[in-house]
Parts: sequence; structure tokens; C-alpha cells
Amino acid sequence: EAQVTQNPRYLITVTGKKLTVTCSQNMNHEYMSWYRQDPGLGLRQIYYSMNVEVTDKGDVPEGYKVSRKEKRNFPLILESPSPNQTSLYFCASSLLGGEQPQHFGDGTRLSIL
Amino acid sequence: DAKTTQPNSMESNEEEPVHLPCNHSTISGTDYIHWYRQLPSQGPEYVIHGLTSNVNNRMASLAIAEDRKSSTLILHRATLRDAAVYYCILRVTLSGGYQKVTFGTGTKLQVIP
Repeated sequence: EAQVTQNPRYLITVTGKKLTVTCSQNMNHEYMSWYRQDPGLGLRQIYYSMNVEVTDKGDVPEGYKVSRKEKRNFPLILESPSPNQTSLYFCASSLLGGEQPQHFGDGTRLSIL
Repeated sequence: DAKTTQPNSMESNEEEPVHLPCNHSTISGTDYIHWYRQLPSQGPEYVIHGLTSNVNNRMASLAIAEDRKSSTLILHRATLRDAAVYYCILRVTLSGGYQKVTFGTGTKLQVIP
């Protein structure tokens, strides 16, 4: 089954403790992206990747890092999480091309205390 | 930067058509218009996309204004399962082929039995 898998689904942690949210897709998609969703703000793009070793900032990249060492994986790294990064995070993937639909994971709810 | 604007909420009676509007006055010639919907506790789900011409698929229709500064998602007969938040999105192609994605804040559709 074609899917985007995020882990963990839920995480409560403390300020400053490094964490990684993993994202994996099994559709051989070149394009992968991370979004955060906050009440009243909709979804905002954090980082995206056009292919292995090709990444770029979205609209809200501050405080986040990404890497794309393999085509199927696109982890989101919070080196020193802060409470303002408490949010619902979604990973998505698609083929390249503006007309391509994105496939979304089920989301990761992060709480930074 | 490209931006989309949508009404916060709309209501429709069951079995009636629904027209969900979106303004994207800063759209560029190569930007694709996508629509997604999000059910509670789920990731966004692709609905439809278009560039210049109106589009139909099994889920909905997309009407794009001639100047492309606005679009309308049309659900022909709303059902209770269509109650969701609908997002109008621009998939923006930047120099070098990079592709950013800009979400609107979404329209929460309530379907009244």
C-alpha cells in the first residue's frame, strides 16, 4: 500500500532536548516536504526536498533542520526544541512537477514543555 | 510571496451544491492551483488541481477564473462525509525548478442534514 509513514505519532518532551521525527515513503517520490499546522494559521511549509541531497527552506524554517540522504526518508530534526515549536507536523511526498498531488502522513503531535 | 485567501467557514445543506471560493491574486503563470481537504485527526487529502482550464474529477470540479486570480471548488452534491476543512494551495515553481507550496488557512465546511 502506498503510504507516507511518520514516527512518532505523539511526543511530549522538554525544552532543549534534541529530537528527530522520521518520515518515510514507499512511492519512489522525488519531492518530500514538512509542514506544521497551528490553529488559525493553517499549514505552513518548513522545509522541502526535490531529491537526495537537495533541500530548501519553506516559509517557517527557523529552529528546524532536515536531511535527505536516501530517497525514501526525510527526517525533521529539532536540535534545541522550544515551546513555540509545539504543533502538529505533517510530512508529504509527491513526484516532481507542479501538477503532482502530494500524499500526506497521519501527522505527529509534538508538545514541548 | 504567493498567498491564498479563503473564507473561514461555510455551511451547506445536504444534497445541495457547494461552491468554495479562493483568492490567489499573486499567482504566477506557472503556479498550479491545488485543493485538499482535511478530516478531523487526519492528514490533508488531495481533491483536485488545475492550471488554467476548468477541471472535473470524481470528487469535485474546479473552476478557474480567466485571469487566474481566483478559483472555486465545486462539490456537486454535498454529503455529510464532505464535512471537512478545505484548503486552496499554490504549488509555486521557483528559479532552478524548486517548488514551494503555500497553503491558505482553509474553509471549514459544515454540512447540515
